[in-house]
Amino acid sequence: GENVEQHPSTLSVQEGDSAVIKCTYSDSASNYFPWYKQELGKRPQLIIDIRSNVGEKKDQRIAVTLNKTAKHFSLHITETQPEDSAVYFCAASISGNQFYFGTGTSLTVIP
Amino acid sequence: DVKVTQSSRYLVKRTGEKVFLECVQDMDHENMFWYRQDPGLGLRLIYFSYDVKMKEKGDIPEGYSVSREKKERFSLILESASTNQTSMYLCASSLRGIYQETQYFGPGTRLLVL
Repeated sequence: GENVEQHPSTLSVQEGDSAVIKCTYSDSASNYFPWYKQELGKRPQLIIDIRSNVGEKKDQRIAVTLNKTAKHFSLHITETQPEDSAVYFCAASISGNQFYFGTGTSLTVIP
Repeated sequence: DVKVTQSSRYLVKRTGEKVFLECVQDMDHENMFWYRQDPGLGLRLIYFSYDVKMKEKGDIPEGYSVSREKKERFSLILESASTNQTSMYLCASSLRGIYQETQYFGPGTRLLVL
């Protein structure tokens, strides 16, 4: 089955700096890659996703890049703010039928 | 707005008890999922269902079963709870089809098995 690895497990950045979280996957059939943000005590919420027919997608301060050849995808957060502090999960899926999640990255933005 | 609800936020059970966790979604989603979330392990899929009365095993189905008698409701059953099933359980739902894969999560049930 699919194996998703996520790094780093913890990340601390100064407010205003950028944060990058990286994931790799093993199954070349995976074609949908969402990123979820989970604040303490809350449910995971989708923040951005990318499909295999696209190399990059951006939504304000958040961007995701996908390299299908290397089987890795990354989340980029620019101009970080304290409210970006949370746990972020990447996932890989084949057409939404089954999702495989990374182990999460705990991001702390230091004011 | 999609709403996914779970029957309990916190649950304490004894070893050997049968435990029912219920999940309800109100957006007519075909797919429903049960995950458990443990520190350092991320979200691991227990079971998923793509239609009424249909179910598929995920990565860690041992010790669990599921039931989907109605489209909006997906139940997770711990036949005989054990202490290693102490965890946070998250339900999710999604539509079926390309460009509709977004999963919506419930608030979670934190289960403690004593």
